[in-house]
Amino acid sequence: GENVEQHPSTLSVQEGDSAVIKCTYSDSASNYFPWYKQELGKRPQLIIDIRSNVGEKKDQRIAVTLNKTAKHFSLHITETQPEDSAVYFCAASGRGNTGFQKLVFGTGTRLLVSP
Amino acid sequence: EPEVTQTPSHQVTQMGQEVILRCVPISNHLYFYWYRQILGQKVEFLVSFYNNEISEKSEIFDDQFSVERPDGSNFTLKIRSTKLEDSAMYFCASSGEFGREQYFGPGTRLTVT
Repeated sequence: GENVEQHPSTLSVQEGDSAVIKCTYSDSASNYFPWYKQELGKRPQLIIDIRSNVGEKKDQRIAVTLNKTAKHFSLHITETQPEDSAVYFCAASGRGNTGFQKLVFGTGTRLLVSP
Repeated sequence: EPEVTQTPSHQVTQMGQEVILRCVPISNHLYFYWYRQILGQKVEFLVSFYNNEISEKSEIFDDQFSVERPDGSNFTLKIRSTKLEDSAMYFCASSGEFGREQYFGPGTRLTVT
């Protein structure tokens, strides 16, 4: 089955700096890669996703890149702000027999943005 | 903006007791999921549900677990005889027609004593 590795486990940056979180996946059949932000005690919140037919997607200060050959994808946050502080999870998903997709999550990155 | 809702927010139960966790998915969604997250760990898939039947389940989802969509709006997870290691945050999620973007509920924190 799919296995997702995520690095780093903790990332501390100064406000205004960029942050990059990297994930690798094992199953070449995976074709959907979402990123979730989880604040303490709250639900995982979908912030951006990418499908395997594109290499990069951007939404304001966040962007995701995908390298299918190397089976890795990354989250980039520019001009970080204290409110970006949270745990970020990557996930990978492939099409199951019935057409739906279950998510396999990485282990999470705790991002701390200091003012 | 429609959201997935879950009740209760926190459930405390004794080992061996049955619990039912409830979810109301987003109204026009067709695919439903349960995940769990043990404190400080990653989110783990439990089960998915489509067209009134289980589509896939993980090895965590053993005979003690069951899911049901008793009516047009609710989606429930039942644990028949809880164990200490069932203590976790349980998240319900739903996705729409194309089974892609999954939106999570706020979770139910289950504490088994």
